[in-house]
Amino acid sequence: AQSVTQLGSHVSVSEGALVLLRCNYSSSVPPYLFWYVQYPNQGLQLLLKYTSAATLVKGINGFEAEFKKSETSFHLTKPSAHMSDAAEYFCAAGSQGNLIFGKGTKLSVKP
Amino acid sequence: DAGVIQSPRHEVTEMGQEVTLRCKPISGHDYLFWYRQTMMRGLELLIYFNNNVPIDDSGMPEDRFSAKMPNASFSTLKIQPSEPRDSAVYFCASSARTGFAYGYTFGSGTRLTVV
Repeated sequence: AQSVTQLGSHVSVSEGALVLLRCNYSSSVPPYLFWYVQYPNQGLQLLLKYTSAATLVKGINGFEAEFKKSETSFHLTKPSAHMSDAAEYFCAAGSQGNLIFGKGTKLSVKP
Repeated sequence: DAGVIQSPRHEVTEMGQEVTLRCKPISGHDYLFWYRQTMMRGLELLIYFNNNVPIDDSGMPEDRFSAKMPNASFSTLKIQPSEPRDSAVYFCASSARTGFAYGYTFGSGTRLTVV
């Protein structure tokens, strides 16, 4: 069965520093991959998605993610963190019917 | 488009009471999903519908939970009787076509507290 692993339940960075949130999926067939962001007391918003068109995917708010089949990874990055990026981020994979979500990584941004 | 609309935003109820959560998907979306989010278990898919028909309800925790979609613009998730362990945030999401290829649009959720 498909599974999604997010390394690190909590990541803390300084404002202006690189953001790197890790996601690995388990599947012999490259699935569709997504990153969602959840701000406090809100629903999940789609940040970006990989659907096999390009391995480097650009999303909203300056985030991007790179699909690496050899590593079964889909890590999320942003060159320079902003205070407004503080939120919880979820990686998700879908292959046969619905999305499976990772446990989420809470990103804190220090001034 | 108003997005996926859920009501109520917050619900506090006593153990044993019936709770009904409501969802209005985005017009034209064929798929509707109900998720539950807790600190311990993260996001769990409870059930999803395609064209108003339940496709997979294997995530529904037990018979106390039931979900319906009487038409394309409305769905309910009912818990009867409610228990404290049902306390969670319940999200509804909708998607066009084969949902996982297009991503889902989530509602703002219903925070349920059972005391």
